[in-house]
Amino acid sequence: QQQVKQSPQSLIVQKGGIPIINCAYENTAFDYFPWYQQFPGKGPALLIAIRPDVSEKKEGRFTISFNKSAKQFSLHIMDSQPGDSATYFCAASGGFQKLVFGTGTRLLVSP
Amino acid sequence: GAVVSQHPSRVICKSGTSVKIECRSLDFQATTMFWYRQFPKKSLMLMATSNEGSKATYEQGVEKDKFLINHASLTLSTLTVTSAHPEDSSFYICSARDLGGGADTQYFGPGTRLTVL
Repeated sequence: QQQVKQSPQSLIVQKGGIPIINCAYENTAFDYFPWYQQFPGKGPALLIAIRPDVSEKKEGRFTISFNKSAKQFSLHIMDSQPGDSATYFCAASGGFQKLVFGTGTRLLVSP
Repeated sequence: GAVVSQHPSRVICKSGTSVKIECRSLDFQATTMFWYRQFPKKSLMLMATSNEGSKATYEQGVEKDKFLINHASLTLSTLTVTSAHPEDSSFYICSARDLGGGADTQYFGPGTRLTVL
């Protein structure tokens, strides 16, 4: 019940495309859902986060869609660029507890 | 966003020696910090939760006597890998929890690459 399932494992899109990464959870106590971006050899960087009281949040080219009833949330990257090539992790936590991470998605944006 | 630093970024040591890694929150106070380990092409594995002024809470399967954690101040936590062995070689990442403004946000450090010969 503590798992966060992330898909796909890897993704290749052309420049300008809109990659979509999906995550699903079981624990209804989760109330905080961040996305992190990680480049090779670096620590994860917080991209965007959402709470269950909204269904969508946008920050620049990054959008989180949240479906509370389905217990799913996804990351969309608009107008993707080669510089967006990285590994993306979704995560979830509840009640100021530890983050539970998804397994990661390796995104490659081709020029 | 808030900044978390780690030192050193890379360390190579001989088997049997101990290595200390520092994690600092530079522009906020963190009562809670976390230590993760990451294997190549894998997700982050939480090792322990570090609370300022109290003992760390270790995840199941993590040896607390091998991975010593100290959180002596609101901006500094240290991880000491004692009697390191080659299997301890990994990427170690810390994060610090920022509760400013009522939010609960974790900011990660840049990581420390440990190689044990």
